[in-house]
Amino acid sequence: DSGVTQTPKHLITATGQRVTLRCSPRSGDLSVYWYQQSLDQGLQFLIQYYNGEERAKGNILERFSAQQFPDLHSELNLSSLELGDSALYFCASSLGTSGRRITGELFFGEGSRLTVL
Amino acid sequence: QQQVKQSPQSLIVQKGGISIINCAYENTAFDYFPWYQQFPGKGPALLIAIRPDVSEKKEGRFTISFNKSAKQFSLHIMDSQPGDSATYFCAARKTSGSRLTFGEGTQLTVNP
Repeated sequence: DSGVTQTPKHLITATGQRVTLRCSPRSGDLSVYWYQQSLDQGLQFLIQYYNGEERAKGNILERFSAQQFPDLHSELNLSSLELGDSALYFCASSLGTSGRRITGELFFGEGSRLTVL
Repeated sequence: QQQVKQSPQSLIVQKGGISIINCAYENTAFDYFPWYQQFPGKGPALLIAIRPDVSEKKEGRFTISFNKSAKQFSLHIMDSQPGDSATYFCAARKTSGSRLTFGEGTQLTVNP
């Protein structure tokens, strides 16, 4: 158990709909990362938050948005869903930066499997 | 832009054999190179990691070999076991940030 909790584990929805994926990071971790895993593209970085603020942005579509709340949990919002958005969405957390120390290991949740029909 | 390239895409070895997965990177600012292991239905988990100031790191049956001049690193799994069957991802991280850039993944199957 990595300590990272993601809900829901499975989600089936229709094209054009909007869904929200939720992530609770490990206790004490300040950074949250969202990754998309599809069969043909491996793990694609979407976005990173550190202590409530956006830190880095990757290949995240404009239809997608995320935020990190004061309690450090994060939500990934996917709207106007298309068939191609079907994928596993992973949340990962790390301590992030603490003074001059940067920790490297990311701890992943078990993912949310999104199926768009 | 794919900054970390991984091969092979899939690998089948016999029990007791050596599994070798290779990765190449482009960005010389990368300073941390981990390997993640993912079982079906689970998230990736850190297996072993190396920094560019050493050429090799060994943990049990798992070894990372690192060639800084060639910008390549590889994972060697000695005495491969059926329980090692999983997807393996190499990754890299820049000094200035903490996100990981992953390779495409290698699906390893170890036959009994």
